[in-house]
Amino acid sequence: QLQLQESGPGLVKPSETLSLTCTVSGDSISSSSYYWGWIRQSPGKGLEWIGSIYYSGSTYYNPSLKSRVTISLDTSKNQFSLKVSSVTAADTAVYYCTRDRWLKNYYYGMDVWGQGTTVTVSS
Amino acid sequence: EIVLTQSPATLSLSPGERATLSCRASQSVTSYLAWYQQKPGQAPRLLIYHASNRATGIPARFRGSGSATDFTLTITSLEPEDFAVYYCQQRSNWPLTFGGGTKVEIK
Repeated sequence: QLQLQESGPGLVKPSETLSLTCTVSGDSISSSSYYWGWIRQSPGKGLEWIGSIYYSGSTYYNPSLKSRVTISLDTSKNQFSLKVSSVTAADTAVYYCTRDRWLKNYYYGMDVWGQGTTVTVSS
Repeated sequence: EIVLTQSPATLSLSPGERATLSCRASQSVTSYLAWYQQKPGQAPRLLIYHASNRATGIPARFRGSGSATDFTLTITSLEPEDFAVYYCQQRSNWPLTFGGGTKVEIK
């Protein structure tokens, strides 16, 4: 059974870079047709898509965050990572990693989610 | 960017009642729409994919319908565990976007 697990610092100082890793178990991150993504949820708010990376390495980012976000794959460790630079208090949120699939004009949804990790931006 | 507008923001119902949640897209997303359920302190859970298909393990009381710009999630008879927040999400265009959510609360 596929599982995703986020890891990384729970506290980041303003202006620094937030770095999170999602470890994938139960399947290969190189499996075709899957997108691996990051979603965040600010306290008491809704869900915000940050970006996604295709198994081939192509990346897609939310324009509102694009200049500060990098998502990458590490196939040797079966992990993918998120970096958000120049963070502010507005980046305080629960960060989730997810998997979704869009194949042959059919959308299968984000069917697997990590449990989420809370990141607080504060000095 | 495709904006998804969910209504109502809050739905107050009793167990056994029918819940009807709406998601309207600012432009057509064909059927590239999913619904998620989120309970406090938990990650969202996929309920419906491609507008009308139940995800694995989702009870038959959850039904998704609609296409293009208007979508509906119906819970035919609310169980106590169904009181939660529900989000729709589109996959038609980048960036992926979510609706603002509908909270289904106990009346």
